[in-house]
Amino acid sequence: DTEVTQTPKHLVMGMTNKKSLKCEQHMGHRAMYWYKQKAKKPPELMFVYSYEKLSINESVPSRFSPECPNSSLLNLHLHALQPEDSALYLCASSGEGFGNTIYFGEGSWLTVV
Amino acid sequence: DAKTTQPTSMDCAEGRAANLPCNHSTISGNEYVYWYRQIHSQGPQYIIHGLKNNETNEMASLIITEDRKSSTLILPHATLRDTAVYYCIVRPPLTYNTDKLIFGTGTRLQVFP
Repeated sequence: DTEVTQTPKHLVMGMTNKKSLKCEQHMGHRAMYWYKQKAKKPPELMFVYSYEKLSINESVPSRFSPECPNSSLLNLHLHALQPEDSALYLCASSGEGFGNTIYFGEGSWLTVV
Repeated sequence: DAKTTQPTSMDCAEGRAANLPCNHSTISGNEYVYWYRQIHSQGPQYIIHGLKNNETNEMASLIITEDRKSSTLILPHATLRDTAVYYCIVRPPLTYNTDKLIFGTGTRLQVFP
């Protein structure tokens, strides 16, 4: 089973709203990732968690707040977003050791109005 | 991070082999070559990866040149469902808590009947 589950699949939110994207995996992976993908562009790395600790933040604005409550869950809290933040948000996970495959979820489509 | 160069787009007739090239002339000795594909509106799907030797799985074959400066992904019998953007990615050396995938622009493969 190589499944990474993301919810919701679609989210529309106003610029003053607070919402969250959720990601879950049950593969025992200890690294989890958030990527952002704009239309017709490649995915861009946002955050990496390793053993439930934030290890990489690719200079992401503070209106995006990641959280890793346990080794199976990864959240992305959204607050005061801008319309240009509308994108596909992808979660991924990987096991231990160099060369281990990174598996992606199907993504959450976010529209900020 | 080692950069990759791929053609922007390619066409392939259904049933024929699709050969997707990738140049990674600055690859380091301990960096893997990964291939992912992304079908429209879905999350990236892992295809195959390799270090030095050629690799084959149920989806594709990966041919890496002896000097490791380029590789070719081969889909032996392309189908319409293989129409997607294919990403060749060089995975940076793993240092503590910094494992990640950096996507380039990819090749848009169009399989036609």
